[in-house]
Amino acid sequence: AQSVTQPDIHITVSEGASLELRCNYSYGATPYLFWYVQSPGQGLQLLLKYFSGDTLVQGIKGFEAEFKRSQSSFNLRKPSVHWSDAAEYFCAVGARNNDMRFGAGTRLTVKP
Amino acid sequence: GAVVSQHPSRVICKSGTSVKIECRSLDFQATTMFWYRQFPKQSLMLMATSNEGSKATYEQGVEKDKFLINHASLTLSTLTVTSAHPEDSSFYICSALVGSGTGGPQDGYTFGSGTRLTVV
Repeated sequence: AQSVTQPDIHITVSEGASLELRCNYSYGATPYLFWYVQSPGQGLQLLLKYFSGDTLVQGIKGFEAEFKRSQSSFNLRKPSVHWSDAAEYFCAVGARNNDMRFGAGTRLTVKP
Repeated sequence: GAVVSQHPSRVICKSGTSVKIECRSLDFQATTMFWYRQFPKQSLMLMATSNEGSKATYEQGVEKDKFLINHASLTLSTLTVTSAHPEDSSFYICSALVGSGTGGPQDGYTFGSGTRLTVV
């Protein structure tokens, strides 16, 4: 079965600084990769997803992620963080017509 | 886009009672739905996969007699927590598989907004 590792449990960045959240996956075939954001007590909102094609994926709210097959990674980036980006971020890998497995999540704190 | 409506958003119940959580796909047919549980400050853990018209497939360690899943139609899946205890207090989220997994833009998963269950 597929699995996901998010090495950073908690990251703090200053508002306006750049952000990169790491995600590594394990899956035997071409993965379906996702990044979700969750605010406290809320459900999940999809930021972006990768299935095939261009390995640099653009998402909502100015986020992007790059699929690197050689590194089994799908890191999330944003050039300039806003205070409203403070939340929990989950990377997930899905199999074709199957369930998704989530990473442990990275909590983002934004300093003023 | 594909929307899954999950109700209730919050529920408090007494220990020993049962609680039903509903997930409805509003503008698409959800052949496959997934139920997750999330403990505070932890990730989502898959509990079970439900396919319309057949029995749910439970993950290892999840009690199927305690967490009853019914997926009787293409637009509704329910999770019933039977004889709830305080340790069942958690955030439960459903998701539905959108599309046929062919890699097109409609593929993916859409999530409900979650149900906060508190058992007292």
